Amino acid sequence: DTEVTQTPKHLVMGMTNKKSLKCEQHMGHRAMYWYKQKAKKPPELMFVYSYEKLSINESVPSRFSPECPNSSLLNLHLHALQPEDSALYLCASSQSERGQFFGPGTRLTVL
Amino acid sequence: QKEVEQNSGPLSVPEGAIASLNCTYSDRGSQSFFWYRQYSGKSPELIMFIYSNGDKEDGRFTAQLNKASQYVSLLIRDSQPSDSATYLCAVKRDSSYKLIFGSGTRLLVRP
Repeated sequence: DTEVTQTPKHLVMGMTNKKSLKCEQHMGHRAMYWYKQKAKKPPELMFVYSYEKLSINESVPSRFSPECPNSSLLNLHLHALQPEDSALYLCASSQSERGQFFGPGTRLTVL
Repeated sequence: QKEVEQNSGPLSVPEGAIASLNCTYSDRGSQSFFWYRQYSGKSPELIMFIYSNGDKEDGRFTAQLNKASQYVSLLIRDSQPSDSATYLCAVKRDSSYKLIFGSGTRLLVRP
């Protein structure tokens, strides 16, 4: 299995809602990532988990809360988001220096 | 100066031609170099990685690296309309999980 899967594909939420994005990989990769991508911009790193521990937090607002329940799963909990948080949220995983593999993304719209 | 620079394009080439995509980087400590292809509305797909100076070929794709000039390129031979996408260059240090992305070059292959 060489895929990174993400659910849901699309999410619409209000500014007072709480929702979660989910990511799963079964490649045995020990590093997992959350990125945010706005239209016509490159992906922007948010968080890195290495061996299930948070390794990098790129000064992301606390309304985004990551969680790594086990080596295959990565969640991103969302609360009190703003309309400017609307974007494509990408999960990725990596094991070696051979690059990061991205999931299909969750298209998030905050109303 | 941006850490990773790419011409935003669009680069327009006729079908069957060679498309040449270029990328320069500023961090001399960069050790791994990646090319991602991203179709509109989709997630980035890793198509090539290169670590050593010189050329690396994979099918119609050739990555070229010149660390002295801090330059990495991607050649696409026999370009097809299906190659029309945005190509993202990314670099990283071996000691870091962080991929530093360029802003991407949009490639259009005309039938």
